[in-house]
Amino acid sequence: GQNIDQPTEMTATEGAIVQINCTYQTSGFNGLFWYQQHAGEAPTFLSYNVLDGLEEKGRFSSFLSRSKGYSYLLLKELQMKDSASYLCAGEGGKLIFGQGTELSVKP
Amino acid sequence: DSGVTQTPKHLITATGQRVTLRCSPRSGDLSVYWYQQSLDQGLQFLIQYYNGEERAKGNILERFSAQQFPDLHSELNLSSLELGDSALYFCASRSLYGYTFGSGTRLTVV
Repeated sequence: GQNIDQPTEMTATEGAIVQINCTYQTSGFNGLFWYQQHAGEAPTFLSYNVLDGLEEKGRFSSFLSRSKGYSYLLLKELQMKDSASYLCAGEGGKLIFGQGTELSVKP
Repeated sequence: DSGVTQTPKHLITATGQRVTLRCSPRSGDLSVYWYQQSLDQGLQFLIQYYNGEERAKGNILERFSAQQFPDLHSELNLSSLELGDSALYFCASRSLYGYTFGSGTRLTVV
């Protein structure tokens, strides 16, 4: 199977750090993507992990453990504009998405 | 502009009707993926084409069909429309750099 699970909602404070977790069944996925999606808009690429470990890109970092079927997206120095849905997606010839985590950043 | 073009942006139609959604992938990308996103739902994979051939099928209803043409643009045909088909429909193309999504077509069935 290719189930992907992530929390439905999270709330954090402007300037803080938030970690969004994603777990998935380990069979069938070659890599793990994270996308950001504002309501009614297209998903935009944030990160891609194919090897275990941490990938850092400015305020965003993503971690992958393939043996544990686990990934997280870390957002630092949160800004109000980071309020959006964050989508975890496994790639096995196509992208299979989780339900998304709706992040609300409060002042 | 992501380079993936979808038309139309909005479509309102009645139940029982048929519509066609169009997607042009990024220049140089051979693949097209179609996704459906209903209100407050995740992105559901429908179908994939690569260089004109169907490569993978997801949760696509029999009332829906797609094709990819020699110029690599793709069309998603939705027929006998029901209220529950109201959704955002996205297409994406794949390159070495990852998946790029179009801005979507918002379909409203009334």
